[in-house]
Amino acid sequence: SQQGEEDPQALSIQEGENATMNCSYKTSINNLQWYRQNSGRGLVHLILIRSNEREKHSGRLRVTLDTSKKSSSLLITASRAADTASYFCATVNSGNTPLVFGKGTRLSVIA
Amino acid sequence: DTGVSQDPRHKITKRGQNVTFRCDPISEHNRLYWYRQTLGQGPEFLTYFQNEAQLEKSRLLSDRFSAERPKGSFSTLEIQRTEQGDSAMYLCASTYQGASTGELFFGEGSRLTVL
Repeated sequence: SQQGEEDPQALSIQEGENATMNCSYKTSINNLQWYRQNSGRGLVHLILIRSNEREKHSGRLRVTLDTSKKSSSLLITASRAADTASYFCATVNSGNTPLVFGKGTRLSVIA
Repeated sequence: DTGVSQDPRHKITKRGQNVTFRCDPISEHNRLYWYRQTLGQGPEFLTYFQNEAQLEKSRLLSDRFSAERPKGSFSTLEIQRTEQGDSAMYLCASTYQGASTGELFFGEGSRLTVL
């Protein structure tokens, strides 16, 4: 089963604009992770945020976590055509459980 | 290249045939995961190993599926009597397990097409 639900399912923006993707989940988590997947390729880890953290930055990425609302957002600033990919959130429910992925947001950045 | 390696990258087979996929994880990683992904969906967990022990299997893993990780190194995923519904990308990932599940390192996947 898939716990996370990303929103929107698809997003199309112009190069240079910011892209925001949201993820909602159902149960308590240990941490939440975001991954990127180019078409037909494997997934690449972007960032991990723990349940006791509220915000994290990595380069042009900003992730927030609101455990009271069971939601997270991924912001990509100053998007580039190379950011075109699918983005997935994944949750860890307790210490050693496997990652549970959402269905993803397909981002298209138009040059 | 010290990343996760999967073989073959593509496999086309006829319904009823058996197929086997291999995954070579990053060498120091003790945990290895198999996921399945269909078009437009996120990866779905199938099974995982810690060293050579298979610790959890999803209900998605029917009795036609079997996975092994002999000696805690590479892993194989075998699908017997393939069905058209088995067509998917099979993803392998590895990690060094600490106190909680952290970043997974994925291979490029093995795409299966069952005709």
